[in-house]
Formats: sequence, structure tokens, C-alpha cells
Amino acid sequence: EVQLVESGGGLVQPGRSLKLSCAASGFTFSDYNMAWVRQAPTKGLEWVASISYGGSNTHYGDSVKGRFTISRDNAKSTLYLQMDSLRSEDTATYYCARPMYTTDYYYPNWFAYWGQGTLVTVSS
Amino acid sequence: DVLMTQTPVSLPVSLGGQVSISCRSSQSLVHSDGNTYLHWYLQKPGQSPQLLIYRVSNRFSGVPDRFSGSGSGTDFTLKISRVEPEDLGVYYCLQSTHFPPYTFGAGTKLELK
Repeated sequence: EVQLVESGGGLVQPGRSLKLSCAASGFTFSDYNMAWVRQAPTKGLEWVASISYGGSNTHYGDSVKGRFTISRDNAKSTLYLQMDSLRSEDTATYYCARPMYTTDYYYPNWFAYWGQGTLVTVSS
Repeated sequence: DVLMTQTPVSLPVSLGGQVSISCRSSQSLVHSDGNTYLHWYLQKPGQSPQLLIYRVSNRFSGVPDRFSGSGSGTDFTLKISRVEPEDLGVYYCLQSTHFPPYTFGAGTKLELK
């Protein structure tokens, strides 16, 4: 059974940093591209970042580009999101997501499995 | 970036009824490989999103056949027949043809009349 368990959320002041983790199990983590998707309170879903299965390719949404860094440790089956220079508008539940298939990074895919999410609140 | 427009924003329904949700994209979602990468999700209250339909009309594992997807190009529809209580929540469409970025629709809330 595919399992994605996020952790690391919490209350943080504007301008500070936070690092989220997503522990994966039930599949061969190193075979899959991975992504982070977030949802601000009472709002819709927003793709944040993606990373290729080997970690060499990454992409970011415009709202987090230059501030967030996605990375992975395939030996630990763990996905990360380093969030720097946090703003109040980054307040959201952050989901780790796995696509349905193993594919080349730039080949279209879609999110088939989601974690339960971790809440990040940016406030003074 | 591709803009995804969902309508309606809110959709009242009676249990046992049938509803349709529309999702329109600002450009064609037909990929160079001939496939169309438009997908549908349901987010039940307090839960993570769950995949319902992928590539326009394919039901994900365990999704009942009350859910069906259709459409082409820029115009897509999710139809739900015989609505049950567990179908209530917010529905999102997602395009992945033109990645990056992935873009979601703003959501349609299915609620009881």
C-alpha cells in the first residue's frame, strides 16, 4: 500500500525558514518523480514544486520560485521541501504527492497518491 | 500558463440525483503524443484530495461507475449519477499536458440542497 506521511509543519514567523519532510513507503520511491501541492485555508489546490526520480530536475511554481527548494533522499525514501523567506501567504496545508506512473520527468503525469498533509502557519 | 476555469462554483444536489461539472482550459490539452491530460479529483471535508478520473475518462482504481468523465480539446465534463452522501465535497480538475506548471481549477463544491 502506498503511504506518504508528511511532517515538519508548524507556526513560523515571517521571514523565517521551515523544512518539510515526506516519508514514503509501499513503493520503490527512487522510481517516481514527486511533487508538493499546497492548499491555503478555505482555498483551492496549488502545485508548488516537482522533482525528478533521480533528483536532477526540479521545477517550481512562480509564487515560491527562489524561496523554496525541493529535494529528495532516495536511500531514505524521503522527499523534502525547504521553505525560506516565508510569507503570510505561504500559510497552507502542504501535501506530498506521487504520480500514477513512473515516467520520464517531462512526460505528462498526474497525482494519484497524496499524503495527509502538514499545516504551515506563517504569522508573527 | 494554462488557466483552468470550473463551473459552477457551488452545486446543490439531492441524493440520488445527477449533476455535471464543467472544466474549461485556456488552450487545448491535447498533447503531442495524442493524449489529453485532464484529470478530476474529489476532496471530501477534512481529507486529502483523491483521484477520480485520469486522462479525461478513465476511472481510477476503486472509483464507482457513477462517476464519468468526457470532453476534448478545451472543454471537459465530470458527471456524477445517483449522488450518494460520500460524493459531497469539492471537485477539482487538473491539467498536466502543459507542465510546468500543473494547474488546477478553482473547485466546485457539491452540497446537499
